[in-house]
Amino acid sequence: AQRVTQPEKLLSVFKGAPVELKCNYSYSGSPELFWYVQYSRQRLQLLLRHISRESIKGFTADLNKGETSFHLKKPFAQEEDSAMYYCALSPNTGGFKTIFGAGTRLFVKA
Amino acid sequence: DVKVTQSSRYLVKRTGEKVFLECVQDMDHENMFWYRQDPGLGLRLIYFSYDVKMKEKGDIPEGYSVSREKKERFSLILESASTNQTSMYLCASSTRGVETQYFGPGTRLLVL
Repeated sequence: AQRVTQPEKLLSVFKGAPVELKCNYSYSGSPELFWYVQYSRQRLQLLLRHISRESIKGFTADLNKGETSFHLKKPFAQEEDSAMYYCALSPNTGGFKTIFGAGTRLFVKA
Repeated sequence: DVKVTQSSRYLVKRTGEKVFLECVQDMDHENMFWYRQDPGLGLRLIYFSYDVKMKEKGDIPEGYSVSREKKERFSLILESASTNQTSMYLCASSTRGVETQYFGPGTRLLVL
């Protein structure tokens, strides 16, 4: 079964500390993976996607097919990074369903 | 800039009422989606549509129906609202294929 697991509901770090939000997936094929972010009182929006291999707002994510993981990392957390983060998977087989994880709330303390 | 709008930010309804949630996108996207967002459960897909008059069930379609008569508009209908349908409802749209989804601001529905 296709599944996305974000093991941490809440992650709290100090400003300037490294941060890693974990995402593990279960899928037999080769999926497309995304990180979406929802800041307070804003709509859910794309942060980055695997295929673009970009760094957005200092965040990067590497697809590890062996470990079936797509962890989100940032070397130095900022207070404005505090938000809800969702990892998502879309099968690359022409289907339209995207499967979201339960989300991790990141709190960056001053 | 993609714009996805939802008809209401907050709604309060009574058990048994019929509820309509509307979503409009202005970017000519083929795909449109309705999700529920609940704490600890993430986003769960209710229904999606990949073309006008086409619809597919998501993971939790029970108690809901949808309508897509025009490409830009996707409506979610709760035929007889129940308290367990109290939730945040998010609409999203995307172009054809495996593409980024663009979300509306959400409708927080409270069923009493």
